[in-house]
Amino acid sequence: DAGVIQSPRHEVTEMGQEVTLRCKPISGHNSLFWYRQTMMRGLELLIYFNNNVPIDDSGMPEDRFSAKMPNASFSTLKIQPSEPRDSAVYFCASSLSPGVVEAFFGQGTRLTVV
Amino acid sequence: AQSVTQPDIHITVSEGASLELRCNYSYGATPYLFWYVQSPGQGLQLLLKYFSGDTLVQGIKGFEAEFKRSQSSFNLRKPSVHWSDAAEYFCASPNSNSGYALNFGKGTSLLVTP
Repeated sequence: DAGVIQSPRHEVTEMGQEVTLRCKPISGHNSLFWYRQTMMRGLELLIYFNNNVPIDDSGMPEDRFSAKMPNASFSTLKIQPSEPRDSAVYFCASSLSPGVVEAFFGQGTRLTVV
Repeated sequence: AQSVTQPDIHITVSEGASLELRCNYSYGATPYLFWYVQSPGQGLQLLLKYFSGDTLVQGIKGFEAEFKRSQSSFNLRKPSVHWSDAAEYFCASPNSNSGYALNFGKGTSLLVTP
């Protein structure tokens, strides 16, 4: 298996623009997580899907952030409009079931908003 | 809610020396605990996990961790560090308030000197 695939690996955008990050989880995994990593706050859980349904989005910082999982093999995280403070590395992870078993991480998308 | 704390932000060890990275957890019942490693520019990789049973857990790359209920700790150890072990190390536990998605500690950055 190719593992969790995220695209793009790097994104540079101007403040106010819309940004869409993409994730393809490991086939057969029914849990998907979006995390954000910054120096100041470390790794923060943004949202968690189980069987394509958002279970907990309390970590989504503002209404500018939205996430979707239209099917078991694809998820997006959208920021609209983007701001410089959104600059971070965004990770997608998937697991067979939440918490008990290993979560597999993608290589992340490094977002820079200028 | 279950949480973990990593008291050390940075650790420096000499190549060949032993290593211990600290992780403290807060939870009443027996927790699920994980150690992940993040190499520069990469996603997170699972080193080992503890669910129950034997309190000494063996992982990949020669790492082990010991669960000590009396000290609320799950410290990561390696008897002889290699230069390739230089990375960021994260302790994690599932958060029942977030559908059991993993919550991560702030991480410990390991530097290995010649």
